[in-house]
Amino acid sequence: DAEITQSPRHKITETGRQVTLACHQTWNHNNMFWYRQDLGHGLRLIHYSYGVHDTNKGEVSDGYSVSRSNTEDLPLTLESAASSQTSVYFCASSPTGQRSSGNTIYFGEGSWLTVV
Amino acid sequence: TQLLEQSPQFLSIQEGENLTVYCNSSSVFSSLQWYRQEPGEGPVLLVTVVTGGEVKKLKRLTFQFGDARKDSSLHITAAQTGDTGLYLCAGGRGGNEKLTFGTGTRLTIIP
Repeated sequence: DAEITQSPRHKITETGRQVTLACHQTWNHNNMFWYRQDLGHGLRLIHYSYGVHDTNKGEVSDGYSVSRSNTEDLPLTLESAASSQTSVYFCASSPTGQRSSGNTIYFGEGSWLTVV
Repeated sequence: TQLLEQSPQFLSIQEGENLTVYCNSSSVFSSLQWYRQEPGEGPVLLVTVVTGGEVKKLKRLTFQFGDARKDSSLHITAAQTGDTGLYLCAGGRGGNEKLTFGTGTRLTIIP
C-alpha cells in the first residue's frame, strides 16, 4: 500500500545543532507539506512544495528550510535548533487537487523533536 | 493569514450524549474539511464540504458548511468512547491550495 513515512519518530538534540527530519511518500503526490503542532496553536504550516524543485514558505518558516529534489521526498532542516522548535512535526502530501472536491491531505505519523 | 477558531477547545461528555463542535472564520473558503487525530498519530480526513449550506453525514457524525462558507459544524449523535480524539477543521481555497487548520477541539467521551 502507498504510504507516507517520517523519520526519526523521536529525537532529542542540543541547541544550535542542525537537524533534518525525513519525509517519504509513495503515492507520487505532487504536493508535500510540513506542519508543526503545538498545544493551543493547532497545525501551523512551515514549508510546502507543489512539485520537484518547488518550495514555498508557510506561516512559521523562520529557522527551517526544505528542498525537493524528487517527487517522493521533502526533508525538513532546522539550521540551528532552538528550544522554541521543540514540537511535533507532521509531514503530509496530497495529489493535485480539484476545486470541486477540495484538497485531501494525507499525514505521516509525526516526528517528536525535543531541543535541550 | 486566515484564522479558523474552533469551539469549544475541550469537551468532555458522557457516552450516549450528543454534542456539537464549531469552526468559525471571518474568511471565505472554497472547501472545509474535518479531521480526527488520535494520540501518537497524524490527522485523518473525515469529510470534505465544498458547497455553502452543504450537509454530509458519516454514520453518527453530521457535518455542515455554513451558507456563506465561513463556518462549519460537526454534530455527533449518541457519542461513543471511540469518538474520543482531537477534531480539527481545515479550510482551503482552490484545488491546489494549502490548508489552514483550526485550533482544534479535544473531545473525551466518558464511559
